[in-house]
Amino acid sequence: QVQLVQSGPEVKKPGASVKVSCKASGYTFTSHDLNWVRQATGQGLEWLGWVNPNSGNAGYARKFQGRVTMTRDTSITTVYMELSSLRSEDTAVYYCARKIDNAYDSWGQGTLVTVSS
Amino acid sequence: QSVLTQPPSVSGAPGQRVSISCTGSSSNIGANYDVHWYQQLPGTAPKLLIYGNNKRPSGVPDRFSGSKSGTSASLAITGLQVDDEADYYCQSQDNSLFVVFGGGTRLTVV
Repeated sequence: QVQLVQSGPEVKKPGASVKVSCKASGYTFTSHDLNWVRQATGQGLEWLGWVNPNSGNAGYARKFQGRVTMTRDTSITTVYMELSSLRSEDTAVYYCARKIDNAYDSWGQGTLVTVSS
Repeated sequence: QSVLTQPPSVSGAPGQRVSISCTGSSSNIGANYDVHWYQQLPGTAPKLLIYGNNKRPSGVPDRFSGSKSGTSASLAITGLQVDDEADYYCQSQDNSLFVVFGGGTRLTVV
């Protein structure tokens, strides 16, 4: 079965960077884009961007362009999301999700990123 | 402020029917992009409930149905159960913003 397993919680200081990983299994890794979505406590879902595991191409939400980088390592079927210049408003649970027909059919368990001085 | 507008909350009694609306514009739902719906139980990741406006993934009960018309979409839940208490989100694409979500609707089964 499809599984997306994310790295553990992170605590960062304002201005630092964080890199979250998402390991995919149970399907052909290069067949589907993986996206990143975040959710602040008590808030809704916010899309950050996508990465194509086959080509390595990525696209980002306008709000995060210049601060986010999404990459992949096909040898270990893992994608990464790195967010820089962190501020308190970036405190959230970050999810990776597999995209099929423009919907997200499988999600990681989420990674809590806390930004605090 | 989300691009897609949903009511913050809806409620219903067990066995009843509820509907959750998702209102967009001519640059997203009205531009013929599909609408998808997710259910998020407390403390868990979202789960795909409806895709392509009205299709159910394997394992999703037929009590859940989706529809789309013009610049809006709706999720209907019949035969409400206590286990349906969750947050529900709609999602689509937008000409300039790529992927957009609704603000979410909290369903309470009273």
